[in-house]
Amino acid sequence: KNQVEQSPQSLIILEGKNCTLQCNYTVSPFSNLRWYKQDTGRGPVSLTIMTFSENTKSNGRYTATLDADTKQSSLHITASQLSDSASYICVAFTGFQKLVFGTGTRLLVSP
Amino acid sequence: DVKVTQSSRYLVKRTGEKVFLECVQDMDHENMFWYRQDPGLGLRLIYFSYDVKMKEKGDIPEGYSVSREKKERFSLILESASTNQTSMYLCASRALRGPSYGYTFGSGTRLTVV
Repeated sequence: KNQVEQSPQSLIILEGKNCTLQCNYTVSPFSNLRWYKQDTGRGPVSLTIMTFSENTKSNGRYTATLDADTKQSSLHITASQLSDSASYICVAFTGFQKLVFGTGTRLLVSP
Repeated sequence: DVKVTQSSRYLVKRTGEKVFLECVQDMDHENMFWYRQDPGLGLRLIYFSYDVKMKEKGDIPEGYSVSREKKERFSLILESASTNQTSMYLCASRALRGPSYGYTFGSGTRLTVV
């Protein structure tokens, strides 16, 4: 069964601190993996796209890693800002371009 | 920038009403999608469309129908709204190639059925 599991479900950190969000996926066939940021009441916005051959990809203060052997991905946020408060959704794409969504990690950055 | 516009941010409807959710994209994308998002369940695919007048059921199509008469517009229809259809509805379109390759989501419509 195709599925994506994210942890933790929610996280509170102080402004300026770093944090790492985890994603485990079981998807076959695997095409690529994306992290999305979803602000409250808004649609998801793509942060990174990674294929199975890519280990790391950065987008500003966001760095995503992918380990295709263990089927794990992480999203690292550096020097967090209040505007990073959002839900972060991990999405695995199958070879048939079907999306499998995780349920998200809700991040709150506190001043 | 690709824009996917959903006509309403918030909507309150009564049980049994027929509800139309509209989605318009401005980048000539062939593929369009409707998802619903519920706490703890993530996004679930309701219907999608590969092209004009084409539609395919997603994972949870029951109680919904769709219409795609023009390439830029994809409508989700709740024939007789029920309280269990209270949810956040997200539309997405997809470019298969080119600079806007990938999925773009709209801002969502939060529907409450009372």
